[in-house]
Amino acid sequence: QQPVQSPQAVILREGEDAVINCSSSKALYSVHWYRQKHGEAPVFLMILLKGGEQKGHEKISASFNEKKQQSSLYLTASQLSYSGTYFCGTESNNDMRFGAGTRLTVKP
Amino acid sequence: GAVVSQHPSRVICKSGTSVKIECRSLDFQATTMFWYRQFPKQSLMLMATSNEGSKATYEQGVEKDKFLINHASLTLSTLTVTSAHPEDSSFYICSAGYRGRYGYTFGSGTRLTVV
Repeated sequence: QQPVQSPQAVILREGEDAVINCSSSKALYSVHWYRQKHGEAPVFLMILLKGGEQKGHEKISASFNEKKQQSSLYLTASQLSYSGTYFCGTESNNDMRFGAGTRLTVKP
Repeated sequence: GAVVSQHPSRVICKSGTSVKIECRSLDFQATTMFWYRQFPKQSLMLMATSNEGSKATYEQGVEKDKFLINHASLTLSTLTVTSAHPEDSSFYICSAGYRGRYGYTFGSGTRLTVV
């Protein structure tokens, strides 16, 4: 019942772009994206509600395809501070489950 | 922004004792709180969902008698690990939200070590 995230890991040079995908087999109410740095709690990035929203947050944006129950997180012109593990969380039937995470490393 | 306070941040306890972890929403009413467990380099595994005023819903495989969850008010949920054993050592983290419409905010987590 956990959403499936891909890729598992990605290494970027500063300034490069990346896309992280999240898919679910369940009908979703919303998709949430979080970033977690080592030893810290996950930090909320954005929420996409049912209705096929696309949202932006600085150079990080995301889309939600309700029909396919898929969401993608777009990181453009990556910065060193973007490094961390990104989790998508899918909400349905009053539960909130997370994908396995995508470890993003941005190098100078 | 929404703030969730989780205490303690670290706890070491002896095998067989109980530990209580508190999760408080400081500036909003949390209609729903989730409790997760995270092992090193792994994802957040949902343990239980707690709605204010009702019993927690536990995930399959999570012992409700061992992991007692109480959501007594719209700002406080507690997780009590009873008769802790070394295999219960993990990072426990809560998240809270108001009907999920504005995302869920995580507490800072509690690293439990059972010796």
